[in-house]
Amino acid sequence: DTGVSQDPRHKITKRGQNVTFRCDPISEHNRLYWYRQTLGQGPEFLTYFQNEAQLEKSRLLSDRFSAERPKGSFSTLEIQRTEQGDSAMYLCASSLLLGSVATNEKLFFGSGTQLSVL
Amino acid sequence: SQQGEEDPQALSIQEGENATMNCSYKTSINNLQWYRQNSGRGLVHLILIRSNEREKHSGRLRVTLDTSKKSSSLLITASRAADTASYFCATEHTGGFKTIFGAGTRLFVKA
Repeated sequence: DTGVSQDPRHKITKRGQNVTFRCDPISEHNRLYWYRQTLGQGPEFLTYFQNEAQLEKSRLLSDRFSAERPKGSFSTLEIQRTEQGDSAMYLCASSLLLGSVATNEKLFFGSGTQLSVL
Repeated sequence: SQQGEEDPQALSIQEGENATMNCSYKTSINNLQWYRQNSGRGLVHLILIRSNEREKHSGRLRVTLDTSKKSSSLLITASRAADTASYFCATEHTGGFKTIFGAGTRLFVKA
């Protein structure tokens, strides 16, 4: 399967611990997005990359959150000193930006990582 | 923050009936997309309509876009139990390249 994969599928951690999630996008996709989703809500934008460059980060994202995309391939999202309010589904999506076309095309989502902070 | 707002929040219909969901947004957009999400899973893209288009069809789906009212609707015809899911509209607004999602409509189709 060459879709977007996320690891792990589930993560249970204690408050104050650090967690790291991984996302492997579709191989030829140059854009990668992280979203957070809580029950009954739509995905909330966190950050996105074009190749290895992080182009935008949500103002809602505290300093405890950091994302990287070394070499423009897979990406990691780290949450330091987790809080109960961080409990959510973390979704990764990728897309392909063609040439100089500025508008986005459809996003391909992974199945997400469900984080529970106790 | 979320750009779009879907209406209704929840919809329950009988199999075979049509389902209509509406979405409103706040700023100028490049395109509007509809996604579907089954419980506990990632989102799946359904259809994209650009700001210069007014209507688009894909199978049993029909999407309309009214940029003067900043609104869109998704019509699913002849619904099936397998259409039970959450449906989200998402917008890419001009001047930015991120896609922003609404809170979604939960559709339940009874067999």
